[in-house]
Amino acid sequence: KAGVTQTPRYLIKTRGQQVTLSCSPISGHRSVSWYQQTPGQGLQFLFEYFSETQRNKGNFPGRFSGRQFSNSRSEMNVSTLELGDSALYLCASSLAKGTAEQYFGPGTRLTVT
Amino acid sequence: AQTVTQSQPEMSVQEAETVTLSCTYDTSENNYYLFWYKQPPSRQMILVIRQEAYKQQNATENRFSVNFQKAAKSFSLKISDSQLGDTAMYFCAFSRDNTPLVFGKGTRLSVIA
Repeated sequence: KAGVTQTPRYLIKTRGQQVTLSCSPISGHRSVSWYQQTPGQGLQFLFEYFSETQRNKGNFPGRFSGRQFSNSRSEMNVSTLELGDSALYLCASSLAKGTAEQYFGPGTRLTVT
Repeated sequence: AQTVTQSQPEMSVQEAETVTLSCTYDTSENNYYLFWYKQPPSRQMILVIRQEAYKQQNATENRFSVNFQKAAKSFSLKISDSQLGDTAMYFCAFSRDNTPLVFGKGTRLSVIA
């Protein structure tokens, strides 16, 4: 069974631009979570989607948004990019709502210049 | 809010030796899950081992085992017969049903030949 896939793997953007990252969960997994990883703040939760509905949201500004499609694929969008948004963005999928065990994708490395 | 603390930012171990990584957490909940994730230089976050809080028996996965002390809120990872491929960042994480993972800051483990 294929693992979690994320595209693109690397991205360079300029301040003020917007970016969309994509995540395809493991087949059959319906929950997708997004995390931001930086050297200073570590791993921080962004949001979680289950059956196209946002179930949980972390403490990030409204510039960070996401959605989930009927096939469980998820996208996250960051608008008006800031230098501090440079990070590794990790997507994780789990089998169902309430399932604690999550499996991660390889991440998207975003660099904002 | 739950917190996870990993007090060892960096550790090193000789190949074939045993090493123990420490993790403590703070929660008022009785039912929860604990995880150890490994993140090698490739950045892919890999689930190493999981422990359900209601289980008294410590989890084991091949060379990886945990020492779960619920009363002390301690969850350490023991790696036996360390291999060069074990070199990675190791993250301890906490979760309950329907909540996102809360990660520690990580321990960088280097296995030396």
